[in-house]
Amino acid sequence: DAKTTQPNSMESNEEEPVHLPCNHSTISGTDYIHWYRQLPSQGPEYVIHGLTSNVNNRMASLAIAEDRKSSTLILHRATLRDAAVYYCILRAFSGGSNYKLTFGKGTLLTVNP
Amino acid sequence: GAGVSQTPSNKVTEKGKYVELRCDPISGHTALYWYRQSLGQGPEFLIYFQGTGAADDSGLPNDRFFAVRPEGSVSTLKIQRTERGDSAVYLCASSLGSGDQETQYFGPGTRLLVL
Repeated sequence: DAKTTQPNSMESNEEEPVHLPCNHSTISGTDYIHWYRQLPSQGPEYVIHGLTSNVNNRMASLAIAEDRKSSTLILHRATLRDAAVYYCILRAFSGGSNYKLTFGKGTLLTVNP
Repeated sequence: GAGVSQTPSNKVTEKGKYVELRCDPISGHTALYWYRQSLGQGPEFLIYFQGTGAADDSGLPNDRFFAVRPEGSVSTLKIQRTERGDSAVYLCASSLGSGDQETQYFGPGTRLLVL
C-alpha cells in the first residue's frame, strides 16, 4: 500500500488558516486522497477526499499538487473545536482491499486561543 | 439521525477473561468494520463485514478474536482469554455501500483495559 508522511504535530492560532501537509510520493494513478480527523476521546470522522482537482466542502479544502505526490488540507479559520489528530489516507479507486482505511500516526493539531 | 453506537464505553477485565464488545451501525448501512487503536497510534483494521458475512478478517491478530454480525446489523467482537496486550480502544465503523470510496462513520469506541 502507498504510504503517507505527515508532520507529528502542528500549532495554530484561533481564527487563522491552517495548512496541514501530507506527502505521498508513491501514490498510484487510481488512489484517492482521503482525510479523516479524530477529536479527543472520539472516533475518527471524515473530512474530505479528492483525486486530482482541488476540493472544497463546508469543513475544509483539499489542495492536491499537480504531480499528486503531495496534498494539503486547509482549514480556513481554525477554531478550538478543530484541535484533533488529522489523518491523510490513500484509498485505491476500486477493488482489492480499498475498503480498509490504513491510518498512520497523523498530525496532532493544537489550536491556541 | 443516530450515529454508530458502541457498548460498553469502557470495559475493565482481568487477564484470561472473555469479553464481548457491541456495535450498532447506522441504520441501512450494509458495511461494518472493526478497528483497534493503541495509545498514540492510528486505528488498525481488524475485520470487515458486508451484510452478515465477514468479507475480510485478515486484521484479526489471532484466533482469540472473533466477530459476528448474524442479522446484518448489530455486530459483536468477541475476545477470548484476554491478555494485557489486548488493552486498546476498539472502534466500529459503518458505511452505506460496499466500501469503494464510501465514507466510514465511526462510533466513539470501547476502551478495553485488561489487568
